[in-house]
Amino acid sequence: DAGVIQSPRHEVTEMGQEVTLRCKPISGHNSLFWYRQTMMRGLELLIYFNNNVPIDDSGMPEDRFSAKMPNASFSTLKIQPSEPRDSAVYFCASSLQGAKGEAFFGQGTRLTVV
Amino acid sequence: GDSVTQMEGPVTLSEEACLTINCTYTATGYPSLFWYVQYPGEGLQLLLKATKADDKGSNKGFEATYRKETTSFHLEKGSVQVSDSAVYFCALATGTASKLTFGTGTRLQVTL
Repeated sequence: DAGVIQSPRHEVTEMGQEVTLRCKPISGHNSLFWYRQTMMRGLELLIYFNNNVPIDDSGMPEDRFSAKMPNASFSTLKIQPSEPRDSAVYFCASSLQGAKGEAFFGQGTRLTVV
Repeated sequence: GDSVTQMEGPVTLSEEACLTINCTYTATGYPSLFWYVQYPGEGLQLLLKATKADDKGSNKGFEATYRKETTSFHLEKGSVQVSDSAVYFCALATGTASKLTFGTGTRLQVTL
């Protein structure tokens, strides 16, 4: 298996632009997580899905952030409009529901908003 | 709420030195405990885990023991290598959910 695949690996955008990050989880995994990593705040869970349904989005910082999982093999995290403080590395992870805490992470998308 | 506290880094060691990275936690219920490792430019990888009190997780020469009485899960290795240089995250998961609560991470640098 290729593991969790995220795209793009790097994104540079101007403030106010829309940004869409993409994730393909490991086939057969039914839980998907979006994390954000910054020097100041460390790793923060933004949202997670079980069986394509959002379960907990309490970590989504603002209404500018939205996430979707239209099917078991694809998820997006959208920021609109983007701001410089959104600059971070965004990780997607997947796991088998029930395999408590055993998550497989993608390589991340480094987002820079200028 | 659940939380994980790790020792501040960076930790700089010479090759073959002993490593201990401290981790303590606060959780409702009975968490499972994990150590994840992040190599430069990569995502996190599960290093080891323990699911109940007194369990010892081990992998690649690293060990950690689930200590319920001290709410700790310290990571240890007897002899580190340059290739162990990375950021190490302690984490927990509670209930039936798979979501993880992470510590802030500890950077380890091993020199020749």
